[in-house]
Amino acid sequence: SQTIHQWPATLVQPVGSPLSLECTVEGTSNPNLYWYRQAAGRGLQLLFYSVGIGQISSEVPQNLSASRPQDRQFILSSKKLLLSDSGFYLCAWSVYGTSGDLREQYFGPGTRLTVT
Amino acid sequence: AQSVSQHNHHVILSEAASLELGCNYSYGGTVNLFWYVQYPGQHLQLLLKYFSGDPLVKGIKGFEAEFIKSKFSFNLRKPSVQWSDTAEYFCAVNYLISSGSARQLTFGSGTQLTVLP
Repeated sequence: SQTIHQWPATLVQPVGSPLSLECTVEGTSNPNLYWYRQAAGRGLQLLFYSVGIGQISSEVPQNLSASRPQDRQFILSSKKLLLSDSGFYLCAWSVYGTSGDLREQYFGPGTRLTVT
Repeated sequence: AQSVSQHNHHVILSEAASLELGCNYSYGGTVNLFWYVQYPGQHLQLLLKYFSGDPLVKGIKGFEAEFIKSKFSFNLRKPSVQWSDTAEYFCAVNYLISSGSARQLTFGSGTQLTVLP
């Protein structure tokens, strides 16, 4: 079965420091991968998605970037964190139907980031 | 931009009460619809989904949802809630407008359900 790993589980970083969050998927090949940020009372905000190695789509202009160096690895980064980057970051992958529509999305355990 | 509205931010019920959580979306064309649940300290997991066919769909743990196209709604229901249903519930929509939007889910802001024992 498919499994999503995210690390670290929690992270406390000072303002201005760099960030690297990692997500890996097992049990599937060529997955479509996603990074979301979850803020209290605001649901899930899609940050980036990737349909393949080196292919990244950004949904929201911000202080963050994403990379996909390997088929089942998705990394979220920042060169200099802002206070507003605090939140709960979720990685996900999706299953698609034959028409290209999204049929289900599976989520990882998340990383709680606190910027101080 | 397409949106998903969940008007109930926090719902408090006693055990055995009936539940209905509202979800409305903003596009009159073809959509795939989902409800996800996040129990305290756990992953987001799928409760139920609708693609086509019977507009009343049944999910896990006794939950069901009804798709009403004329109202752009996909409300979640459960006849009798339990303390273990305390969780945050998210409605999500896959808008089949373009190849780009078809690859994404748009989530509502979530509803925190608290069930009192």
